[in-house]
Amino acid sequence: EAGVAQSPRYKIIEKRQSVAFWCNPISGHATLYWYQQILGQGPKLLIQFQNNGVVDDSQLPKDRFSAERLKGVDSTLKIQPAKLEDSAVYLCASSLTGTGFNEQFFGPGTRLTVL
Amino acid sequence: AQSVAQPEDQVNVAEGNPLTVKCTYSVSGNPYLFWYVQYPNRGLQFLLKYITGDNLVKGSYGFEAEFNKSQTSFHLKKPSALVSDSALYFCAVSESYNTDKLIFGTGTRLQVFP
Repeated sequence: EAGVAQSPRYKIIEKRQSVAFWCNPISGHATLYWYQQILGQGPKLLIQFQNNGVVDDSQLPKDRFSAERLKGVDSTLKIQPAKLEDSAVYLCASSLTGTGFNEQFFGPGTRLTVL
Repeated sequence: AQSVAQPEDQVNVAEGNPLTVKCTYSVSGNPYLFWYVQYPNRGLQFLLKYITGDNLVKGSYGFEAEFNKSQTSFHLKKPSALVSDSALYFCAVSESYNTDKLIFGTGTRLQVFP
């Protein structure tokens, strides 16, 4: 079974520029997550989709971050404009359903450096 | 509010010795507990989970974890460490059946020396 795919793997931009990340979850997984992992910290949930609807975006900085999941499959996360503190690894994960006992499957992540 | 604590930033152990990576949690209801491992430049990989039932949970790569409700702990263990076990380990908690929003600890780096 193919895993969660993410691209690009690395991105370097200057502050105030825009950037977008793409995620393709495991086939058949209804739930998709975006996490931000700052160096030395555990992943922090940014947004959770159930099919193509948003379940939780309480920790998404909505003034600069946006995300969409068209047709309930692929998803994109955008940052516009980027700040220095956005430097982190952005992880996409998916799970079969949104219930508490399902494990999440993670992609390799996109490492973003904002200069 | 839910929280997870991993009190050790790093754990060092000699190959062949038993290892323990500690995790304590705080939730208002019954916890669903998870361990994930992260190798360099790779995403997190699921190791094991506790949902209900037997307090000793067995997972991938010979790892196991013991759920202790009275001590609110979920320590990760392995009887005999391998050098290839060296990685970053994260404990996580989900509060309820209705949501799988995970709260992660800060991670513990395990270093296994030959």
